[in-house]
Amino acid sequence: EIVLTQSPGTLSLSPGERATLSCRASQSVSRTYLAWYQHKPGQAPRLLIYDASTRATGIPDRFSGSGSGTDFTLTISRLEPEDFAVYYCQQYGTSPTFGGGTKVQIK
Amino acid sequence: QVQLVQSGAEVKKPGASVKISCKASGYTFSNYYMHWVRQAPGQGPEWMGIINPNYGNTNHAQKFQGRVTMTRDTSTVYMELSDLRSEDTAVYYCARDKGFPAYIFDSWGQGTLVTVST
Repeated sequence: EIVLTQSPGTLSLSPGERATLSCRASQSVSRTYLAWYQHKPGQAPRLLIYDASTRATGIPDRFSGSGSGTDFTLTISRLEPEDFAVYYCQQYGTSPTFGGGTKVQIK
Repeated sequence: QVQLVQSGAEVKKPGASVKISCKASGYTFSNYYMHWVRQAPGQGPEWMGIINPNYGNTNHAQKFQGRVTMTRDTSTVYMELSDLRSEDTAVYYCARDKGFPAYIFDSWGQGTLVTVST
């Protein structure tokens, strides 16, 4: 099983700032089969990015993903008030696994 | 638009079973695989299994071998988990697969809280 470790656990930022979230895999993720999701309390998770860098339908371009192998990054270029949430990475190169999440909170 | 509407919260005793439904609308049900994902308190999500809505064939995570059953009928998928333990307390989600399958989850249900307690 591929274990995904996300860091930091919590990110405290102000609207307009840049957020950089990390996801590290215990072994190489084949074919950049990595996705990112946003999850707000009481809501369904939302797919943001798949194949490491492809934005899902309707996702604003302030969200971008990068990386390969074992190191992946989600960047939110300028935080909007609605972006404060928990973010999870997920690999699907093998039996799917998720990271533990990064909470982006208002500073 | 795609909608996945799940059944309501459940409280079960250890050793019991729970069956959750997920009704799909807004798209052609038979064209998209469906998954079940759960999230225990304070933990990241955990993939449980997948069902092909056309033929009903399934695959699941090894961890749930012998305890999970996924079925479907017209526009609804079901997930039954048996021999419940306290560690099965979690929010359970159905999630539509983006591909054929791709194991990318592009739409999710609202979640069903299952509490296992004496």
